[in-house]
Amino acid sequence: GEDVEQSLFLSVREGDSSVINCTYTDSSSTYLYWYKQEPGAGLQLLTYIFSNMDMKQDQRLTVLLNKKDKHLSLRIADTQTGDSAIYFCAESPNTGNQFYFGTGTSLTVIP
Amino acid sequence: KAGVTQTPRYLIKTRGQQVTLSCSPISGHRSVSWYQQTPGQGLQFLFEYFSETQRNKGNFPGRFSGRQFSNSRSEMNVSTLELGDSALYLCASSLGISVEKLFFGSGTQLSVL
Repeated sequence: GEDVEQSLFLSVREGDSSVINCTYTDSSSTYLYWYKQEPGAGLQLLTYIFSNMDMKQDQRLTVLLNKKDKHLSLRIADTQTGDSAIYFCAESPNTGNQFYFGTGTSLTVIP
Repeated sequence: KAGVTQTPRYLIKTRGQQVTLSCSPISGHRSVSWYQQTPGQGLQFLFEYFSETQRNKGNFPGRFSGRQFSNSRSEMNVSTLELGDSALYLCASSLGISVEKLFFGSGTQLSVL
């Protein structure tokens, strides 16, 4: 199967920027995604980027994609305590309608 | 527009029993996928249905099965439960033929004792 990797933990101070990194394996993926999971909840689609783009900005969220290195990052500007959650990156190769998720990065925002 | 609805929210079963979980997708969505989430293995794909047909299946034993009805609602069944089946089971729906964006329900937390 695919191997999508993320660091497990990230801790930032409220008001700082957070950067969550991800490496993926399948260059055929048309889209790459970021999901957020709060305790006891399902996954919420935060944003996604088309594979022929380098960057996408959506309010406080900026997604950067480096296709050559198969590296995806999510930057959260002005991080708030409500951003504390687990963040998953995901890829969806062009076959099988199956998503491959990373291990998740637990973001803790310190007031 | 209502989101993806999963029932029940919590289940406690004992080894050897079977369980059925239900998922109602977002109105108009025709694809339903199921994922298992555990602390050790993360999110793993179980299967995906579109128009009542299973299009893809993950690497799970035959004890795990599913189906989709004509109204796009889906059920998954796990027979002969094992302790290792304890997990959060997540259902996700997507609009159509190609699964471009997945929208998840809150999940069913299954505990096997």
